[in-house]
Amino acid sequence: AQTVTQSQPEMSVQEAETVTLSCTYDTSENNYYLFWYKQPPSRQMILVIRQEAYKQQNATENRFSVNFQKAAKSFSLKISDSQLGDTAMYFCAFAGANAGKSTFGDGTTLTVKP
Amino acid sequence: DTAVSQTPKYLVTQMGNDKSIKCEQNLGHDTMYWYKQDSKKFLKIMFSYNNKELIINETVPNRFSPKSPDKAHLNLHINSLELGDSAVYFCASSQEVGFSGYGYTFGSGTRLTVV
Repeated sequence: AQTVTQSQPEMSVQEAETVTLSCTYDTSENNYYLFWYKQPPSRQMILVIRQEAYKQQNATENRFSVNFQKAAKSFSLKISDSQLGDTAMYFCAFAGANAGKSTFGDGTTLTVKP
Repeated sequence: DTAVSQTPKYLVTQMGNDKSIKCEQNLGHDTMYWYKQDSKKFLKIMFSYNNKELIINETVPNRFSPKSPDKAHLNLHINSLELGDSAVYFCASSQEVGFSGYGYTFGSGTRLTVV
């Protein structure tokens, strides 16, 4: 079974600075997908960014980018120019190519300070 | 237009009662899911459905019974509610059958409190 580990339960960053959230995973599959989801205090789960394992290029969505290291099974999220609205819990998730479901890490609570 | 809508958003009920949570998606997605988020915010899959067909049924007590009348709807009925059932229940959908590589669209969650 796949496992997803987020080793940082809580992090904080000053507004306008850059922060990196860590995620590692364990799988024997070669083709899979990785995600970061954001859950703000409103409770709504929002897909932030998606990475396909067979693509070497790291995904980017505006201020959000990932560092995907397939051999190390690492998938970190970098948030640049942090904004107060980035305050949320962030979940890393894994989906095998044919699994039909996603497995989530335990989450990292990020606080952006003014 | 809300893509994945759940009702109710909040549900407070007594132990032993039976309750239902409803979910509807207007995205035309093929697969729908129920996830449970416990008090520590851990997210665990419970069920997934493709149209009326149950695809995934994780280790969930028999008191939980999902029902999918059509591709756009997935409901969750819970019998004989227990204190440990208190959690946030999320409905989600994904584009293709048996493949969640595009990621999920989540509903806003239902906070269930059993007293």
